[in-house]
Amino acid sequence: KAGVTQTPRYLIKTRGQQVTLSCSPISGHRSVSWYQQTPGQGLQFLFEYFSETQRNKGNFPGRFSGRQFSNSRSEMNVSTLELGDSALYLCASSLRPNLDEQYFGPGTRLTVT
Amino acid sequence: SQQGEEDPQALSIQEGENATMNCSYKTSINNLQWYRQNSGRGLVHLILIRSNEREKHSGRLRVTLDTSKKSSSLLITASRAADTASYFCATVRTGANNLFFGTGTRLTVIP
Repeated sequence: KAGVTQTPRYLIKTRGQQVTLSCSPISGHRSVSWYQQTPGQGLQFLFEYFSETQRNKGNFPGRFSGRQFSNSRSEMNVSTLELGDSALYLCASSLRPNLDEQYFGPGTRLTVT
Repeated sequence: SQQGEEDPQALSIQEGENATMNCSYKTSINNLQWYRQNSGRGLVHLILIRSNEREKHSGRLRVTLDTSKKSSSLLITASRAADTASYFCATVRTGANNLFFGTGTRLTVIP
């Protein structure tokens, strides 16, 4: 069974631009969570989707948004990029939002210049 | 913000030795999980221990949980060079629906 895939793997953007990251969960998984990882703040929860509904949101500004499609694929969008948004963005999927075990993708490395 | 702190921040050992990492957290939890991350890549789930469990084993891994001290430890026995990675504890707080990660321990196993 294929794992969680994230595209693109690397991205360079300029301050003020917006970006969209994509995540395809493991087949059959309906819950998708997003995390941001930076050297300073570590791993922080962004949001979680289940059956196309956002169930939970972390403490991030409104510039960070996401959605989930009927096939469980998810996208996250960051508008008006800031230098501090440079990070590794990780997506994780699970069968249900039970948080027993999440399967992580390889991440998208975003660099904002 | 992060849920917990891990120590040590970095650990360097010889192949064959045991490695112990500790995790402390702040609030009541449903379960605690350990993940491994190789050099800025995705995380791999290692083991989960529930709040009513005190010890759990999986292969060369042993995890303990002390809810009275709000702490956990991960022991890797007979370490291998391939165990070189960062290790994170993550908690599911009571009443919450997401993982809160610790600061991580960077383990280096020298062949």
